[in-house]
Amino acid sequence: RKEVEQDPGPFNVPEGATVAFNCTYSNSASQSFFWYRQDCRKEPKLLMSVYSSGNEDGRFTAQLNRASQYISLLIRDSKLSDSATYLCVAPRAGGTSYGKLTFGQGTILTVHP
Amino acid sequence: DGGITQSPKYLFRKEGQNVTLSCEQNLNHDAMYWYRQDPGQGLRLIYYSQIVNDFQKGDIAEGYSVSREKKESFPLTVTSAQKNPTAFYLCASTAQGANYGYTFGSGTRLTVV
Repeated sequence: RKEVEQDPGPFNVPEGATVAFNCTYSNSASQSFFWYRQDCRKEPKLLMSVYSSGNEDGRFTAQLNRASQYISLLIRDSKLSDSATYLCVAPRAGGTSYGKLTFGQGTILTVHP
Repeated sequence: DGGITQSPKYLFRKEGQNVTLSCEQNLNHDAMYWYRQDPGQGLRLIYYSQIVNDFQKGDIAEGYSVSREKKESFPLTVTSAQKNPTAFYLCASTAQGANYGYTFGSGTRLTVV
């Protein structure tokens, strides 16, 4: 099983729609998780951190389900500017993995008029 | 403003040539990382360093070398032994433990000509 697994999409949604991405992780000891946004040919940028059951920031909500080992990202009222690749990130497993994160391959979102 | 600076933004390498990618940070972060991203793929860890004068191989270290002589600097050399170096290279840094995620530089796009 991959350390972090995401549905690559692409997701094509109209403006104003609500869209959700799921991500599963394998390291049951993980405490902190992250969603990054990556625009085409740019570096990833931190969108949200998730430390407990969830986190909300405006139109974005991240939820964590430790029992099932998955994280979700919900985007409400989608904007054209939300079009990007969304990366799910979790700590790596193993005793020598301190401070190392593992990245999912990303979920592509395209919001159209 | 604190951040990570990568240079150059674009780099062209001839067959058999070694090239060095620069990464400098003024965030006072202890840990620094190099990732490689190929089109449509996730980030793969090349090398990382959690303290000055110490670094460790990541998942795809063959054909690469690094040094960490100063806390602020973590240059990556792509040697002629790396057979497929064309990719987008990302440098990242974090405070110890990565509890707040990584901060990325803007990347270097390397092309073999």
